[in-house]
Amino acid sequence: EAGVAQSPRYKIIEKRQSVAFWCNPISGHATLYWYQQILGQGPKLLIQFQNNGVVDDSQLPKDRFSAERLKGVDSTLKIQPAKLEDSAVYLCASSLGLAGTNNEQFFGPGTRLTVL
Amino acid sequence: GDSVTQMEGPVTLSEEAFLTINCTYTATGYPSLFWYVQYPGEGLQLLLKATKADDKGSNKGFEATYRKETTSFHLEKGSVQVSDSAVYFCALISSGSARQLTFGSGTQLTVLP
Repeated sequence: EAGVAQSPRYKIIEKRQSVAFWCNPISGHATLYWYQQILGQGPKLLIQFQNNGVVDDSQLPKDRFSAERLKGVDSTLKIQPAKLEDSAVYLCASSLGLAGTNNEQFFGPGTRLTVL
Repeated sequence: GDSVTQMEGPVTLSEEAFLTINCTYTATGYPSLFWYVQYPGEGLQLLLKATKADDKGSNKGFEATYRKETTSFHLEKGSVQVSDSAVYFCALISSGSARQLTFGSGTQLTVLP
């Protein structure tokens, strides 16, 4: 079974530029998550989708971050414009159902973003 | 709000040494507790979990017991191997309405041959 795919693996941009990340979840997984992992910290949930609807985006900085999952399968996360503090690894995860004890989240390898 | 506190690393051990990584939590209700592992260049993987007090999660020789009285979920392994070198994250999902994974800051483990 293929895992969660993410691209690109690495991205370097200058502040105020835009960047987009792509995620393809495990086939059949209805729930998709984007996390931000700043160096030395644990992952922090940015947004959670159930199919193509947003379940939780309470920690997404909506003035600069946006995400979509138009067809309920793959997803993109965009930052526009980027700030220095956005430097982090962006993780995508998926699960069969909504977050919970019995719905294991499977993580992709992440995209490491460096903002100069 | 929910939070997870892990012992700070990095931790460096010799092969076959005993491992303990401490984890304590603050949460409303009765959370489920998890340990995730991140090997170099790979995504986070679920290592083990426990869903109620006194439950013991175990996998690949690692164990952790859900201690409600001390709000702890310490990770242990009796004899570590070089291949165990990774970053370990303690996490929880609360029983409240905000059912999202809350992670600790991670502990880097290096095992030397």
